[in-house]
Amino acid sequence: NAGVTQTPKFQVLKTGQSMTLQCAQDMNHEYMSWYRQDPGMGLRLIHYSVGAGITDQGEVPNGYNVSRSTTEDFPLRLLSAAPSQTSVYFCASRSDGISYEQYFGPGTRLTVT
Amino acid sequence: DAKTTQPPSMDCAEGRAANLPCNHSTISGNEYVYWYRQIHSQGPQYIIHGLKNNETNEMASLIITEDRKSSTLILPHATLRDTAVYYCIVRGGTGTASKLTFGTGTRLQVTL
Repeated sequence: NAGVTQTPKFQVLKTGQSMTLQCAQDMNHEYMSWYRQDPGMGLRLIHYSVGAGITDQGEVPNGYNVSRSTTEDFPLRLLSAAPSQTSVYFCASRSDGISYEQYFGPGTRLTVT
Repeated sequence: DAKTTQPPSMDCAEGRAANLPCNHSTISGNEYVYWYRQIHSQGPQYIIHGLKNNETNEMASLIITEDRKSSTLILPHATLRDTAVYYCIVRGGTGTASKLTFGTGTRLQVTL
């Protein structure tokens, strides 16, 4: 199993550009989440999904969209990038309602200039 | 969600036990205590969780006080590879295990 994979590893955007951060997991996990981590800070939840076709907002959803058309993939879209979105983005997955362990991907380091 | 307080940093000699404290005095009855760690900007790694009983797995032990207002993560024989930021998180129920908020954690430095 590859676990949770994220692409790209690094990205530089100009203000106003849009892009999609990719996240995939091969563990057949129902639950998936997106977090951001600003320098020197902990992680904050952006969006999460409890299964294909079901998504909901987390703590800091503004400026981001998600969709979950398959169990495996959970892409995060930045609609119009802003310097405040410079951060490291982590995707995570979890198997089901009785499991407590989240598996995290390696992260995408995004810089918006 | 209950707020947690952790010391910003701790040191531990290799081979000794590392005891990382966490205060969560406002924890409510259905909230779990989770511990994750993050090694050098990698994705966080789950360590252990508990509700009210002490828990042990292959990585660590979690000791929760009887009143549940604080807990301690114990790494019994710390190695250099355990150098990381350790996060204590309090959250309620299995349905919220994917919706965690990480604070700034404790930076554990294991030294020779």
